Amino acid sequence: GENVEQHPSTLSVQEGDSAVIKCTYSDSASNYFPWYKQELGKGPQLIIDIRSNVGEKKDQRIAVTLNKTAKHFSLHITETQPEDSAVYFCAASNAGTSYGKLTFGQGTILTVHP
Amino acid sequence: SAVISQKPSRDICQRGTSLTIQCQVDSQVTMMFWYRQQPGQSLTLIATANQGSEATYESGFVIDKFPISRPNLTFSTLTVSNMSPEDSSIYLCSVVTGGNPYEQYFGPGTRLTVT
Repeated sequence: GENVEQHPSTLSVQEGDSAVIKCTYSDSASNYFPWYKQELGKGPQLIIDIRSNVGEKKDQRIAVTLNKTAKHFSLHITETQPEDSAVYFCAASNAGTSYGKLTFGQGTILTVHP
Repeated sequence: SAVISQKPSRDICQRGTSLTIQCQVDSQVTMMFWYRQQPGQSLTLIATANQGSEATYESGFVIDKFPISRPNLTFSTLTVSNMSPEDSSIYLCSVVTGGNPYEQYFGPGTRLTVT
């Protein structure tokens, strides 16, 4: 089955700096890669996703890049703000054969210091 | 997206008892899932809740321990049976709507503590 590794496990940055979280996956058939933000006491919130036919996607201060050859994808947050502090999870799925089944990375605790 | 609610939001239960968690969506969805998030850990898929038929369980999860129902396209329940302290976790339902077959949205979760 699919295995997703996520790094780093914790990340501390100053407000205004950039943050990068990286994930690798094992199943070359995976074709959908979402990122979730989970605040304390809440369910995960989908913040951005990318499909395997695209190399990069951007939404305001967040962007995701995908390298299918190397089987890794990354989340980039620019101009970080204290409200970006949360746990971030990457995930992977093969929407063709395992419809909707997400395999999650271990999570990254992001702390943005004012 | 869809608005997803779960009941209860949290509960403290004694070992040996069972708890049923409800997941309600404000619109019809194509797929519903149940995940477990152990303390400080990532999310693990328990099962896919199939409308009108038995749920599809992932390796390591069995129907006797986690019976699931999905009577219609907007509602599902997960029961945690014969609980032990190891069942203390956050249980989350998620949905895939018909609008976008890829995007999956999560409910707020049910925080369960077993004493």
